[in-house]
Amino acid sequence: GENVEQHPSTLSVQEGDSAVIKCTYSDSASNYFPWYKQELGKRPQLIIDIRSNVGEKKDQRIAVTLNKTAKHFSLHITETQPEDSAVYFCAASGSDYKLSFGAGTTVTVRA
Amino acid sequence: KAGVTQTPRYLIKTRGQQVTLSCSPISGHRSVSWYQQTPGQGLQFLFEYFSETQRNKGNFPGRFSGRQFSNSRSEMNVSTLELGDSALYLCASSLSLENEQFFGPGTRLTVL
Repeated sequence: GENVEQHPSTLSVQEGDSAVIKCTYSDSASNYFPWYKQELGKRPQLIIDIRSNVGEKKDQRIAVTLNKTAKHFSLHITETQPEDSAVYFCAASGSDYKLSFGAGTTVTVRA
Repeated sequence: KAGVTQTPRYLIKTRGQQVTLSCSPISGHRSVSWYQQTPGQGLQFLFEYFSETQRNKGNFPGRFSGRQFSNSRSEMNVSTLELGDSALYLCASSLSLENEQFFGPGTRLTVL
């Protein structure tokens, strides 16, 4: 089955700086890669996703890149703000009817 | 459109008891997935249902089971509860697994 690894587990950045989270996956058949943000005490919510036929996708300050050959994808947050502080999860979905999540990255934005 | 709802929101049980959690997906969503979330463990996949059929099951013991009804509502059951079953149980619904999964608020289960 799919195995998703996520790094780093914690990330502290100065407000205004960029944050990058990286994930690798094992199943070459995976074709859908969402990123979820979970604020303290709240449910995970989708912030951006990418499909295997696209190499990069951007939405305002958030961007995701996908390298199918290397089987890794990354989340980039630019101009970080205090409200970006949360736990971020990457995930991958393939042919096994399962969305596999990474272990999460706790992002802290220092004012 | 109403979001995903889960009942109950909080539950306290003792070891050896059993529990049933309920999830009502967004109208029109036929895929329902269940996850266990514990501190530092991320979201561990339990199972996924689509049109009343379980299509995949995670690496959990047989004490964890589930089902889906014809209206797409889903239940999960945990029998013979253990202390380690204390966790937040989240369900998520989607049109398919290649579309956004919408999470419910979760059921916080505490086993004493």
